[in-house]
Amino acid sequence: EDKVVQSPLSLVVHEGDTVTLNCSYEVTNFRSLLWYKQEKKAPTFLFMLTSSGIEKKSGRLSSILDKKELFSILNITATQTGDSAVYLCAVEVYNNNDMRFGAGTRLTVKP
Amino acid sequence: DAGVIQSPRHEVTEMGQEVTLRCKPISGHDYLFWYRQTMMRGLELLIYFNNNVPIDDSGMPEDRFSAKMPNASFSTLKIQPSEPRDSAVYFCATGQGNGELFFGEGSRLTVL
Repeated sequence: EDKVVQSPLSLVVHEGDTVTLNCSYEVTNFRSLLWYKQEKKAPTFLFMLTSSGIEKKSGRLSSILDKKELFSILNITATQTGDSAVYLCAVEVYNNNDMRFGAGTRLTVKP
Repeated sequence: DAGVIQSPRHEVTEMGQEVTLRCKPISGHDYLFWYRQTMMRGLELLIYFNNNVPIDDSGMPEDRFSAKMPNASFSTLKIQPSEPRDSAVYFCATGQGNGELFFGEGSRLTVL
């Protein structure tokens, strides 16, 4: 059975801290791994990763994929209170375009 | 485009009643997914469609749940009869098959 496991489940930090969120997966026919941010409502897309070792970056957020060890990390530097959200990792598989989500990491950034 | 549109935004109903949730996808998106989100289980894939055809419904919890996509611009998720354990936020998400999904704002269902 396909699995997507995120850790930690929750994290509380202070503004300015750097955080690393983890996502490990076990799927057959891996196609891509995606990160989403969910604040109060719908998840919004952050990154899509398909190749190992290539960092994707957007402002203070960056992510990288390791297809050998089957995991990805999402880094947020100089955190701000607006970064408080649930961060979701999802894995897409070939052949059926299915997308499975992890349970998410709830990040709280305190002023 | 207005994005993925879901209705109703909130529904409170009594156990045993029929519930119908609706979704209007982004025009041109060939893939439509229904997800359920709870605190306990996170985001669970219920079913998805490609070009209006159901591809994988293995996530549908039981026969009380059904989903249809009669055309490219409309999908429904029906629960009949509803039970308290169905209480959750139901998301519709659409995409073009390149991985990125666009989510609606969700329908929060409470079954008393």
